[in-house]
Amino acid sequence: AQKVTQAQTEISVVEKEDVTLDCVYETRDTTYYLFWYKQPPSGELVFLIRRNSFDEQNEISGRYSWNFQKSTSSFNFTITASQVVDSAVYFCALSSSNTGKLIFGQGTTLQVKP
Amino acid sequence: EAGVAQSPRYKIIEKRQSVAFWCNPISGHATLYWYQQILGQGPKLLIQFQNNGVVDDSQLPKDRFSAERLKGVDSTLKIQPAKLEDSAVYLCASSLASQIGPEAFFGQGTRLTVV
Repeated sequence: AQKVTQAQTEISVVEKEDVTLDCVYETRDTTYYLFWYKQPPSGELVFLIRRNSFDEQNEISGRYSWNFQKSTSSFNFTITASQVVDSAVYFCALSSSNTGKLIFGQGTTLQVKP
Repeated sequence: EAGVAQSPRYKIIEKRQSVAFWCNPISGHATLYWYQQILGQGPKLLIQFQNNGVVDDSQLPKDRFSAERLKGVDSTLKIQPAKLEDSAVYLCASSLASQIGPEAFFGQGTRLTVV
């Protein structure tokens, strides 16, 4: 069975602090993809990143960085120097079926205070 | 490029009534998904179409939910009759293809409240 766990329900930080959102996944497949989506108050899920199971290189995009570790089945997301605009719900998701179906975690609500 | 369009944005109905949601995917996207997002939870796939054929509807409550994608473009999702537990945001998404790992683009969703 596939499963995604985001143990942090809510995180509150002050602007300019760094924050890491945790994601742990379960799958028996050897080929799979991991995703992070951002859901602002408007409701639309915004794609942030996709990584496949064969690429464990960490990735950095501006203030965002992702750490993929197959050994611990984790795909953590770090925001450096957080800003108020980063306030949103963040979802980690797994796609390991051949249909592209996404399995989402419960989401982590990030609040960045000025 | 226009994104995924959904309507209505909000809907309030009484239990046992029926309701329909509409989705227009990104032009050229063969795969269309309907997800249900209950408050405080992550989205859950209800049904997936590849063109106008159903790929996965294993989690669709077929006694009350139905969906169609005529001509492989627009799609409608219907609930009849609605129950209180159907209160949720219904998200439509589309992607170029359905093989593993496609980037799915989501609409803003329809927030359904059943009273």
